[in-house]
Amino acid sequence: KAGVTQTPRYLIKTRGQQVTLSCSPISGHRSVSWYQQTPGQGLQFLFEYFSETQRNKGNFPGRFSGRQFSNSRSEMNVSTLELGDSALYLCASSLDGRAPDTQYFGPGTRLTVL
Amino acid sequence: GNSVTQMEGPVTLSEEAFLTINCTYTATGYPSLFWYVQYPGEGLQLLLKATKADDKGSNKGFEATYRKETTSFHLEKGSVQVSDSAVYFCALTPMDSSYKLIFGSGTRLLVRP
Repeated sequence: KAGVTQTPRYLIKTRGQQVTLSCSPISGHRSVSWYQQTPGQGLQFLFEYFSETQRNKGNFPGRFSGRQFSNSRSEMNVSTLELGDSALYLCASSLDGRAPDTQYFGPGTRLTVL
Repeated sequence: GNSVTQMEGPVTLSEEAFLTINCTYTATGYPSLFWYVQYPGEGLQLLLKATKADDKGSNKGFEATYRKETTSFHLEKGSVQVSDSAVYFCALTPMDSSYKLIFGSGTRLLVRP
């Protein structure tokens, strides 16, 4: 079974631009979550989607948004980029997102904002 | 609220040494507990998990036991290798409907030959 895939792997943007990241979950997984990883804040939860519905959202500004498609693929968008948005963005998929389900992670997208 | 506390790193060991990375948690009920590992430049890989009290998760020589009485899930390995050098994250999924993983801050392990 193919794992979680994320595209692109690397992105360089400038302040004020917007960016879209993509995530394809493991086949059969319907829950997709997004996390931001930075050296200072560690791993922080962004949001989770199941069957095209956002079920939970972390403490991030409205510039961070996401969506999920009917095939469970997900995208996240960051508008009006700031320097502090530079991070590794990780996507994870699971069967239904609830304990004791296991979340499997993709390789991440490394976003650099200049 | 729910939280995970890990020992501060880095942890530096010689090859074949015994490894313990401490992890304690705060959560209501019986969360599921996980250890993930992150190698340089990569995403997170599931190392092991436990879903109920006294469960022992194990994989690749690593072990961790779900201790409800001490709210702990310490990671151990009897003999580390250079290839085990990575960052290790303890995490939990709460029993509530938050649908998210809560991570500790991570512990960097460096194994010297």
